Amino acid sequence: EAGVTQSPRYAVLQEGQAVSFWCDPISGHDTLYWYQQPRDQGPQLLVYFRDEAVIDNSQLPSDRFSAVRPKGTNSTLKIQSAKQGDTATYLCASSLQGRAEQFFGPGTRLTVL
Amino acid sequence: GQQVQQSPASLVLQEGENAELQCNFSTSLNSMQWFYQRPGGSLVSLFYNPSGTKQSGRLTSTTVIKERRSSLHISSSQTTDSGTYLCGGSWQLIFGSGTQLTVMP
Repeated sequence: EAGVTQSPRYAVLQEGQAVSFWCDPISGHDTLYWYQQPRDQGPQLLVYFRDEAVIDNSQLPSDRFSAVRPKGTNSTLKIQSAKQGDTATYLCASSLQGRAEQFFGPGTRLTVL
Repeated sequence: GQQVQQSPASLVLQEGENAELQCNFSTSLNSMQWFYQRPGGSLVSLFYNPSGTKQSGRLTSTTVIKERRSSLHISSSQTTDSGTYLCGGSWQLIFGSGTQLTVMP
């Protein structure tokens, strides 16, 4: 069974540029999570979906960050006008309905210059 | 909100020594998961252990829900165990800052 896949693996931007990250969860997993992990810190939840619905996006900087999961499968996280403080690894995870155990993808390492 | 304290923040061992990593939560838990992460790497799930004790090879996880804590014991450490160990609790995984483990040959 394929695990969670993410792309791209790396991204380097200048401040002010936009970037999108893509996540394909484990087949059949209805819940999908996006985390931000700054260097030398633990991951912090940004947003999570159950099927196509946003369940919690309270930690998503809504002025520049957006996330969608239109068909309840793949998801895209987008940063408009990136800032140096957005430099971090962006992790996607998924879980099966009714189960708390999460499975993580390889992450996208973002550097904003 | 929920806060997670991991200890120690860093640990250096000689190969063959044992390690005990701790995770304490400020409020009640309904889920607990331990992960391993190499520098620049993804999170590899070691244990999903919301309560009780689980063992896998040289690793043992014990979660005491009533006391809002969980531990990870590594026996007979090896150089390949070096990396960061993270615990996460609750359904949306509130993470600690991790324990950075270095095992010297």
